[in-house]
Amino acid sequence: KAGVTQTPRYLIKTRGQQVTLSCSPISGHRSVSWYQQTPGQGLQFLFEYFSETQRNKGNFPGRFSGRQFSNSRSEMNVSTLELGDSALYLCASSLTGSNTGELFFGEGSRLTVL
Amino acid sequence: LAKTTQPISMDSYEGQEVNITCSHNNIATNDYITWYQQFPSQGPRFIIQGYKTKVTNEVASLFIPADRKSSTLSLPRVSLSDTAVYYCLAPRWAGGSYIPTFGRGTSLIVHP
Repeated sequence: KAGVTQTPRYLIKTRGQQVTLSCSPISGHRSVSWYQQTPGQGLQFLFEYFSETQRNKGNFPGRFSGRQFSNSRSEMNVSTLELGDSALYLCASSLTGSNTGELFFGEGSRLTVL
Repeated sequence: LAKTTQPISMDSYEGQEVNITCSHNNIATNDYITWYQQFPSQGPRFIIQGYKTKVTNEVASLFIPADRKSSTLSLPRVSLSDTAVYYCLAPRWAGGSYIPTFGRGTSLIVHP
């Protein structure tokens, strides 16, 4: 069974640009959650989608947004990039949701903002 | 504000038992505590999950006291391949929403 796939794996952007990251969950999983990982702040929750609906949201500015499609694939978008947005962005899929079941993580998309 | 705290680093030797404790105040009554392992350039990987008392699987044990304000991950007889960062995940509720909250991670180094 294929795991969680994130694309792109690496990308470089400049301040002010926007970026879209993609996540394909494990087949049959309807929950996709997104996390930002940095050396300074660790793993921080961005948001979770379940059956195309945003279920909950972490404490990030509105520049961070996401969506989920009918096939459960998810995208997250960051607009007006700042230097501090440089991070590893991880998505995780789950059968029942991030609060009840095991999270299966992708390998992440490493974003560098110059 | 609910916080999830764990030691920054630990050292051990091959064959020893390692215990990593995580403190999580204000954890919700009915939510699970989960531990993950992460290697460089990889996403975290599930180790074990529990609600109360003790849970054991083929790789680890998890001890959760009655007040559920902490949990201890126990790795029996560690090997060099257990060198990794270990995260506890304890949920908190804010504004009626569930917020997955990770600890800052414990970097475990296993020496020969």
